[in-house]
Amino acid sequence: ETGVTQTPRHLVMGMTNKKSLKCEQHLGHNAMYWYKQSAKKPLELMFVYSLEERVENNSVPSRFSPECPNSSHLFLHLHTLQPEDSALYLCASSQGTGANNEQFFGPGTRLTVL
Amino acid sequence: KNEVEQSPQNLTAQEGEFITINCSYSVGISALHWLQQHPGGGIVSLFMLSSGKKKHGRLIATINIQEKHSSLHITASHPRDSAVYICAVRATGNQFYFGTGTSLTVIP
Repeated sequence: ETGVTQTPRHLVMGMTNKKSLKCEQHLGHNAMYWYKQSAKKPLELMFVYSLEERVENNSVPSRFSPECPNSSHLFLHLHTLQPEDSALYLCASSQGTGANNEQFFGPGTRLTVL
Repeated sequence: KNEVEQSPQNLTAQEGEFITINCSYSVGISALHWLQQHPGGGIVSLFMLSSGKKKHGRLIATINIQEKHSSLHITASHPRDSAVYICAVRATGNQFYFGTGTSLTVIP
C-alpha cells in the first residue's frame, strides 16, 4: 500500500457516457498528478496540481476534465471519450513538485471505452 | 524518438542471475527515477538519483551525468523481481519523460 487509493479499479464505458475517476492520498502531500499509460507506450503526464491549483496541463483533450477540491483528493471527469482513450489511468502524489520529490502512485484505474 | 530509451525491452533470467537494465536520455536532467510496475498496474518508486550510486537491498542504481546514462542492477534475482522497470527523468525545464519500460521475467 502506497497511501494513494484510486476508484474504481476497472471501468467500462460507452462513448456517450460521463464518468469520474477518483484518487485520494493519505500522505499529507501537496501535489497530485494524473498519468495515462497506454499499451506499449511510455507513461504520459496529463495534469499536475499543487496546493489545489493546476500547474501543468500537457495538451490533454477537453474530454478529460480534472478537479482538485482539496490537497487530498483528485478527480478526473470523463465525457464523450473515444476508444483510443482506453488505458490505465494512474494517480500519484508527492510532497512538492520540485525535482527531488518522490512520487507515490496509486494502483490505477483500467478504463475501457467501447 | 523518445527522450528516454531503455534496453533491453524484454529480459528473461534464471533465478540467481545478475541483471542489468540500461537507460539513456537525451535531455538535461535534475533527477532520474527508477520505477517498478507489477502486473495489475501499481507503480513503486525504487530510486531517485541525480549523481553517483544508490543501493537498496539487492538493487543498485547508478548514474553517469556526463554520459547521460543510468543502470539498474539486480543481484541474486528472484521470481518476485518479475515486473516492468521504468526509467523516468525530470528535465531541467521541469518536464517529465518516461521510458517504455523493461519487462523482466525471472524463472525459478
